[in-house]
Amino acid sequence: DGGITQSPKYLFRKEGQNVTLSCEQNLNHDAMYWYRQDPGQGLRLIYYSQIVNDFQKGDIAEGYSVSREKKESFPLTVTSAQKNPTAFYLCASSIRGPSEQPQHFGDGTRLSIL
Amino acid sequence: RKEVEQDPGPFNVPEGATVAFNCTYSNSASQSFFWYRQDCRKEPKLLMSVYSSGNEDGRFTAQLNRASQYISLLIRDSKLSDSATYLCVVGGAQKLVFGQGTRLTINP
Repeated sequence: DGGITQSPKYLFRKEGQNVTLSCEQNLNHDAMYWYRQDPGQGLRLIYYSQIVNDFQKGDIAEGYSVSREKKESFPLTVTSAQKNPTAFYLCASSIRGPSEQPQHFGDGTRLSIL
Repeated sequence: RKEVEQDPGPFNVPEGATVAFNCTYSNSASQSFFWYRQDCRKEPKLLMSVYSSGNEDGRFTAQLNRASQYISLLIRDSKLSDSATYLCVVGGAQKLVFGQGTRLTINP
C-alpha cells in the first residue's frame, strides 16, 4: 500500500538534545512538507521541499532543520534551539508543490520534553 | 485578518441532522480549495476538493463563492462517525493555508 510513514510515533527530548523525526513516502510525490500542530490550533508550516536537494523555510523554521537527499525521505531535526518543541509533528506529501495539489499526511509524531 | 477563518464551534447536532460549515479566506488570488477531516489525535485526511462549480460526494456537498471569498461544506443525514474536526484549506502564494478547524459532534 502506498503511503507516508512517520517514525517514531512518540518521542521524548531532553534539554539541549537534538532529535530527528523520520518521514518516508512511497507515493512517488515530488513535494514534501513538515507541519507542527499545537493543541486546539491549526497546522503551521515548518519546512517544505519541492524537489530533491532543495527545501524552503515555512512560517516557523527557527530551531528546525531538514534535508532532502532522496525523493522518498524528508527527515526533520528539532534542535536544542527550539525552546518549545512539545507538539504534534505531521509530515505530508503532494504530487507537486506547494499550493495547488492536495496533501496527504503521515500519522504523525508526538514530541514531548523530558 | 487571518488568511483562513473558520468558526471553531463546537457544533453539537443530533444524528440525521444537516449541518453546514463556512470558511472565509483573504487571498483573492487563491486557486485551490479543500476540506479535510481530522479525528482526535490523528492526522488530517482529505475529505474533498472544492471546485468552482461546486461538487458533491455522497452526503457531502462543497461550494465555492469566489466573489465573497468563502467556501462551505454541507453534511446531510449526519452519522455518529461524522464526529471530527473539519479543516478548511486554501492554496496560498507558496503553501496551503489551514484553518483552525470546526469541531463537530454528532449525538445519538
